[in-house]
Amino acid sequence: EADIYQTPRYLVIGTGKKITLECSQTMGHDKMYWYQQDPGMELHLIHYSYGVNSTEKGDLSSESTVSRIRTEHFPLTLESARPSHTSQYLCASSPYGARTDTQYFGPGTRLTVL
Amino acid sequence: AQSVTQPDIHITVSEGASLELRCNYSYGATPYLFWYVQSPGQGLQLLLKYFSGDTLVQGIKGFEAEFKRSQSSFNLRKPSVHWSDAAEYFCAVGAYGNEKLTFGTGTRLTIIP
Repeated sequence: EADIYQTPRYLVIGTGKKITLECSQTMGHDKMYWYQQDPGMELHLIHYSYGVNSTEKGDLSSESTVSRIRTEHFPLTLESARPSHTSQYLCASSPYGARTDTQYFGPGTRLTVL
Repeated sequence: AQSVTQPDIHITVSEGASLELRCNYSYGATPYLFWYVQSPGQGLQLLLKYFSGDTLVQGIKGFEAEFKRSQSSFNLRKPSVHWSDAAEYFCAVGAYGNEKLTFGTGTRLTIIP
């Protein structure tokens, strides 16, 4: 069982607010990922990190930003939330390796921006 | 670029019946293939994965999948479904040296009594 946590699980917030979605893992994994998932749709990678102080943008353009100051922590921030940001956000991690390895997912944060 | 197609958006199966979910991938070299399951309101859980070797892969919860290179497929099967198998199933493809997975659009599985 993977130990990866996301808080909050559900968030309803007004337009223009700044929000931070938290993601933590206790497995010591170097690689971490943020995905955006709309209902009935595939997962779109929006950010990833290979390790501390490493962040990269994913395949789907996003107005969010991320940071990786500690191995176990990979928060995602929206400076000014808009209704178009309403979605489910999934965090994942995987151990370091030369090949694509299994990604372990957190339970997700469902964000609604009014 | 790698891609994944799950042609069935929604499948309904009777409890106790067999199941096959289809997945086709596109990638130039040997792919790494995954099946994940997502219950409502939850994250994704790995069912099984294929990297190399035996093309028939066994996973958790009684699932198996077969890699067929000639058909570019990695279909998921279960001989007898249970009501608890109702969920969304995602196929994903990765590759050596590529840190990113590409996911299909998912197949929603409904189980009827």
